[in-house]
Amino acid sequence: QVQLQESGPGLVKPSETLSLTCTVSGGSVSSGTYYWTWIRQPPGKGLEWIGYIFYGGSTRYNPSLRGRVTISVDKSKNQFSLNLNSVIAADTAMYYCARETYYHRSGSNTLDFWGQGTLVTVSS
Amino acid sequence: DIQLTQSPSFLSASVGDRVTITCRASQDISSHLAWYQQKPGKGPTVLIYAASTLQSGVPSRFSGSGSGTEFTLTISSLLPEDYATYFCQQLNDYPRTFGGGTTVDIK
Repeated sequence: QVQLQESGPGLVKPSETLSLTCTVSGGSVSSGTYYWTWIRQPPGKGLEWIGYIFYGGSTRYNPSLRGRVTISVDKSKNQFSLNLNSVIAADTAMYYCARETYYHRSGSNTLDFWGQGTLVTVSS
Repeated sequence: DIQLTQSPSFLSASVGDRVTITCRASQDISSHLAWYQQKPGKGPTVLIYAASTLQSGVPSRFSGSGSGTEFTLTISSLLPEDYATYFCQQLNDYPRTFGGGTTVDIK
């Protein structure tokens, strides 16, 4: 069973960089056609897709984050990471990592494994 | 971006009730829609993908239907463990987007 676990600081100051890591167990970030994904949910609001890194290393981001986001992978540690720079209070949210998988039989994708989330507060 | 409108945003139901949640897309997304369940303090889990395919291990009281712009999630007979928040996600285009969520509460 694949498991994902987010880790990182729970408090970040405005204008600084938010850095989170997702550790994957029970599977490899290097294998298969998976999209290793970050999602966030501000308190009391809906979910926002941040972006992914494909197992081959390509990335895709939500344009709403205006170039502030970078997702990278560390294959040696079986982890992938999120960096969000120039944070503001509106970046306060529960951050989730997840795996998006393409199911050949149905010809569709889904987020089939999620972490439990980590709350990041942006405040001075 | 593709907007997903979920309704209702909140519903109260009793154990044994049939519950239906709707998700409407702002444009045609074929069958590229998934449904998730989230309980307090936990990460979401997938119930349905490709609009109507039950994820392995998910009870058969959950079902999904629809294509194009209108989709439904149905719980045929609500059990106590089904009290949770449900949301839809489109995986037809980028950026991926989610519905606003439906919280199912005890009546």
